[in-house]
Amino acid sequence: AQSVTQLDSQVPVFEEAPVELRCNYSSSVSVYLFWYVQYPNQGLQLLLKYLSGSTLVKGINGFEAEFNKSQTSFHLRKPSVHISDTAEYFCPPFPGFQKLVFGTGTRLLVSP
Amino acid sequence: ETGVTQTPRHLVMGMTNKKSLKCEQHLGHNAMYWYKQSAKKPLELMFVYNFKEQTENNSVPSRFSPECPNSSHLFLHLHTLQPEDSALYLCASSQEGSYEQYFGPGTRLTVT
Repeated sequence: AQSVTQLDSQVPVFEEAPVELRCNYSSSVSVYLFWYVQYPNQGLQLLLKYLSGSTLVKGINGFEAEFNKSQTSFHLRKPSVHISDTAEYFCPPFPGFQKLVFGTGTRLLVSP
Repeated sequence: ETGVTQTPRHLVMGMTNKKSLKCEQHLGHNAMYWYKQSAKKPLELMFVYNFKEQTENNSVPSRFSPECPNSSHLFLHLHTLQPEDSALYLCASSQEGSYEQYFGPGTRLTVT
């Protein structure tokens, strides 16, 4: 079974500053990890995913995440955020196909 | 139209009304989902359909009735709803065996 914890419910940051959204996981089986993003008044979309291979995963809109097995983490990072990055970010566990559990997410608030 | 579309985008209904939400996917997928997103609550998976067959029903009250006439269309029929049913209802689709789900923009439902 796999579970994840998003450590922050809200992250305020100024425009052009770097940001890290934290996600820790625990799993007794193979690890599949995802970040989804939900912009205001929109549905969710896949930002990036780790299934296997390189531990540094690059996603859309300049985001990247690193799978760290020793720290059981999959934190999302961006070196310089824009106002348009204001959104809700989800790191759902993967209990199986079609069983993603999205949780409450982390709200990223970017201000000028 | 591309991706996943949902109509209407906004709906206000009384507790005695009957209405339907519509979802259509233009991606050739064979699995479709209904989710409920309430303020400050985790995203809840309601129903899953694979090849038009319902494979998941997460203890959803009978006042919500899904219908999947083919792999491209999904409906959610609503009747005698309660004010606590007010939420954003999201539809998603995926290819069987895929990790990625594609979401529509949602229908914002208000029950008065």
